[in-house]
Amino acid sequence: EVQLVESGGGLVQPGGSLRLSCAASGFTFSSYWMHWVRQAPGKGPVWVSRIDSDGTTTKYADSVKGRFTISRDNAKNTLYLQMDSLRAEDTAVYYCARPTAMTNNWFDPWGQGTLVTVSS
Amino acid sequence: DIVMTQSPDSLAVSLGERATINCKSSQSVLYNSNNKNYLAWYQQKPGQPPKLLIYWASTRESGVPDRFSGSGSGTEFTLTISSLQAEDVAVYYCQQYFSSPLTFGGGTKVEIK
Repeated sequence: EVQLVESGGGLVQPGGSLRLSCAASGFTFSSYWMHWVRQAPGKGPVWVSRIDSDGTTTKYADSVKGRFTISRDNAKNTLYLQMDSLRAEDTAVYYCARPTAMTNNWFDPWGQGTLVTVSS
Repeated sequence: DIVMTQSPDSLAVSLGERATINCKSSQSVLYNSNNKNYLAWYQQKPGQPPKLLIYWASTRESGVPDRFSGSGSGTEFTLTISSLQAEDVAVYYCQQYFSSPLTFGGGTKVEIK
């Protein structure tokens, strides 16, 4: 069974940092591009970042560029999102998501998500 | 960025009746070289992540009931639930993957009348 399990969310003060992890299982992780998507309460999903299969190419939404860093460890089947200089507007559930095929851009499955709350 | 606008924000439909959800993109998501519309639909139930229903605007994902169908081209798209079931109560989102950044609609909440 394909599974994605996020962790690392929590309450952080504005300006702080968090590192999210997404543990993947049930598929050949190293063959797939991977994405982070976030969803603020009551809002639609918002794409955050993407990394290619070997980690050499990354892409970011303008809203997080320069503050967030996506990375992966294919030996550990794990995707990461380092989030620095956090702002209140970064508050959301963060999902890791896998494309249905290796490099396409629609997603299934998604993880269950991890909640990040930025507040003083 | 391509802006995805869904309508209505919510709708209430009787069990067994048709539900129609609209999605409009701010620019065409039809790629002329392969004649494919770069649009997907998702279903999200409370407390769960989105689940893929349809891609290429009209191709149902494996395992998705055939009461769900997608149509449209260019900038205007529709998700239809032909006979609403109780388990279809959810929020539905469209997503374009024509260009980066990938963008989603604001969602349409479907309830039972």
